[in-house]
Amino acid sequence: QVQLQESGPGLVKPSQTLSLTCTVSGGSISSVGYYWTWIRQHPGKGLEWIGYIYYSGSTYYNPSLKSRVTISVDTSKNHFSLKLSSVTAADTAVYYCARDPGGIAAPGEYYFDYWGPGTLVTVSS
Amino acid sequence: SSELTQDPAVSVALGQTVRITCQGDSLRTYYASWYQQKPGQAPVLVIYGKNNRPSGIPDRFSGSTSGNTASLTITGAQAEDEADYYCNSRDSSGNHLSAFGGGTKLTVL
Repeated sequence: QVQLQESGPGLVKPSQTLSLTCTVSGGSISSVGYYWTWIRQHPGKGLEWIGYIYYSGSTYYNPSLKSRVTISVDTSKNHFSLKLSSVTAADTAVYYCARDPGGIAAPGEYYFDYWGPGTLVTVSS
Repeated sequence: SSELTQDPAVSVALGQTVRITCQGDSLRTYYASWYQQKPGQAPVLVIYGKNNRPSGIPDRFSGSTSGNTASLTITGAQAEDEADYYCNSRDSSGNHLSAFGGGTKLTVL
């Protein structure tokens, strides 16, 4: 059973960089075809896709966040990370990591089958 | 385009059938996936692909697509189905982008 777990500071100061890690257990982050994803949810609001890193290392980001986002992977630790720079109060949200099997099962079928429990990050001085 | 539109709220009487819809151009190319989220919890995948349910999801949940509209149908809604539901799809531009609908709050009366 694959499990994902987010970790990182729960409080970040404005203008600083938010850094989170998602540790994957029960499966290899290097497995062919998977997209390792970050998603966030502002308080009381809907889900927002931030971006993902493909098993090959290619990254894809939400255009609205692209200038501030970096997603990377550390295969030796079986985890992937999110960095969001120049944060403001508008970046206060619950951040989730998730796995997308990337159409392995069938072409055109993309979905997030495993999610972490989420971690609340508050941006405040 | 990756914009997906959902009705903000839908209600259903206990035991009745309800359909939650998601509209977007990308749905002509990619299937939607559907997620159930209860307060304070992470989203849970309930439908993916043409009409597939992950293990553990009751068979009262089903999915379909027609043109640019994907639907999540709950046949015989239960009290525990009261939740927020989100659709998701890849962007049809080929840029590997993804997007969620705004979510639908389902109330079971």
